[in-house]
Amino acid sequence: TQLLEQSPQFLSIQEGENLTVYCNSSSVFSSLQWYRQEPGEGPVLLVTVVTGGEVKKLKRLTFQFGDARKDSSLHITAAQTGDTGLYLCAVNFGNEKLTFGTGTRLTIIP
Amino acid sequence: EAGVTQSPTHLIKTRGQQATLRCSPISGHTSVYWYQQALGLGLQFLLWYDEGEERNRGNFPPRFSGRQFPNYSSELNVNALELEDSALYLCASRGQGELYGYTFGSGTRLTVV
Repeated sequence: TQLLEQSPQFLSIQEGENLTVYCNSSSVFSSLQWYRQEPGEGPVLLVTVVTGGEVKKLKRLTFQFGDARKDSSLHITAAQTGDTGLYLCAVNFGNEKLTFGTGTRLTIIP
Repeated sequence: EAGVTQSPTHLIKTRGQQATLRCSPISGHTSVYWYQQALGLGLQFLLWYDEGEERNRGNFPPRFSGRQFPNYSSELNVNALELEDSALYLCASRGQGELYGYTFGSGTRLTVV
């Protein structure tokens, strides 16, 4: 069974602080996606990373794909209350279904 | 462009009954994926339909079934409902190519009492 472990599971920080969440696997994958899910809604795609060592920026969010293509991180600078949500990484391990990580539930305190 | 639409938004059923959930993908998308998200848990893959055929199935009992219609919309059926089937059921569609992420609907919240 191919698993994606995310850490931390829960994170609660003050508005304006920085944070990093992680996604790790024992398997190598060709690409990885990050999603954010708000309560009562489906996950929304944030980014797809493809190349080992790749860094992508989306405003205050920075996504990095590990050199070994087995891990990824999401860094948020100067967190805002609108960043609150469940952050999920997801990988297609080659069987045409997206496997999701365990998720990081982020709460930004005003 | 309309997104992925799911109906109903909420569904309350009694244990032992059957539930039918519906999904319309984005226009032009032929693949439809179903996921279950139980409270506090991650997304668990249920079923994948493409071009009217079931292509892959997750680790769920046979009472979870579905189909895809010629217009690519899809239906998920859950028979003999159990209390632990209470969850948010999410449908997603995807464009061609691995790099395109899934577009999810807002889900159907199924409550079994």
